[in-house]
Amino acid sequence: DVKVTQSSRYLVKRTGEKVFLECVQDMDHENMFWYRQDPGLGLRLIYFSYDVKMKEKGDIPEGYSVSREKKERFSLILESASTNQTSMYLCASNLGQANQKLFFGSGTQLSVL
Amino acid sequence: DQQVKQNSPSLSVQEGRISILNCDYTNSMFDYFLWYKKYPAEGPTFLISISSIKDKNEDGRFTVFLNKSAKHLSLHIVPSQPGDSAVYFCAASAFGGAAGNKLTFGGGTRVLVKP
Repeated sequence: DVKVTQSSRYLVKRTGEKVFLECVQDMDHENMFWYRQDPGLGLRLIYFSYDVKMKEKGDIPEGYSVSREKKERFSLILESASTNQTSMYLCASNLGQANQKLFFGSGTQLSVL
Repeated sequence: DQQVKQNSPSLSVQEGRISILNCDYTNSMFDYFLWYKKYPAEGPTFLISISSIKDKNEDGRFTVFLNKSAKHLSLHIVPSQPGDSAVYFCAASAFGGAAGNKLTFGGGTRVLVKP
């Protein structure tokens, strides 16, 4: 079974802090994604990566950056956390082909105070 | 502007009855559709999918119907079971390049199946 592991289940940070969310997948998937989930808004794509060192902006990239130095690891960075970034963050991966389902991690609930 | 919409935020159904979840989309480039199920404190898990060349796909108790002309799809769960109580997300992707691997999600529908 595909495993997507997110390093933290819960995080509490202060406004202005730099925040790193880490994600690792063990199935040699080409594509990795970061979504955030908010009530009523569903899952919204922040960034995705289809290869090492490659990244593409999703629908809501503002205030975020990403890093993919190794194929299995995809990091989401909040340069200066703000309260409106309090959310559930979900990492996902899939193979580099069209019409491939996503495999999700368990999520990180981030609270920015 | 949301390209994938689930207009019912919640649904309550009696155990053994049918659950019908609806999803509308606006982007005519979408050609592949999926449903995901999410329990609290867990990531979404894939449930069922359908390609735009089909109008129906069935997997056990779950059936997805696609009406391309109406840009509408629905998920039927028959019979509904208490373990089906979860949030269900509709998702869509468009053919081609990196976009073919990117899913756009609806807002979700919370289903409660009463024993």
